[in-house]
Amino acid sequence: AQSVSQHNHHVILSEAASLELGCNYSYGGTVNLFWYVQYPGQHLQLLLKYFSGDPLVKGIKGFEAEFIKSKFSFNLRKPSVQWSDTAEYFCAVSGGATNKLIFGTGTLLAVQP
Amino acid sequence: GAVVSQHPSRVICKSGTSVKIECRSLDFQATTMFWYRQFPKKSLMLMATSNEGSKATYEQGVEKDKFLINHASLTLSTLTVTSAHPEDSSFYICSAIGQGNQPQHFGDGTRLSIL
Repeated sequence: AQSVSQHNHHVILSEAASLELGCNYSYGGTVNLFWYVQYPGQHLQLLLKYFSGDPLVKGIKGFEAEFIKSKFSFNLRKPSVQWSDTAEYFCAVSGGATNKLIFGTGTLLAVQP
Repeated sequence: GAVVSQHPSRVICKSGTSVKIECRSLDFQATTMFWYRQFPKKSLMLMATSNEGSKATYEQGVEKDKFLINHASLTLSTLTVTSAHPEDSSFYICSAIGQGNQPQHFGDGTRLSIL
């Protein structure tokens, strides 16, 4: 069955610390990969996406993610987090010709000033 | 950027009431809209996919007679929770996608509470 797994449910970091959030997926065939962010009280926003090409994808606000096909992973990284990065982060995957998204359970990131 | 408006943001109503939630794409034509349900501390669960002018496609386990979806135009889809009961209380989120290989754009969600 298709699934997305986010290993970290709750992460607490201090400002300037480096961030890596894990995401693994189970999906047969070609995949499109996404990271969405939900700031407190706001809607889900696209952080970055991978459709094809360079497996290292750069998104907004200094985030990046690397697609490692052999590991079925798409981990999110940021070298130095800020207090304003406090939010919930969702990894999602869609496959083939469908636009249907399968979401992970989300990771709640709290950055302490 | 692409904006999706969802209304209302919060609904509290009695058991047995039917509730309609609207999802509008404000600055683009949405060929497809999606409806999700999110339970506390859990992931978004896709309920159905709605294409303009055709019947919605429901995911396994979602009652189509309970959750009526209408996608009458390229900018509007509605979800009606019929004869709602307390177990239907949840956070409902819509998203919309335009033509081409585009990511989904999400609404703010609707918090539905059935008493």
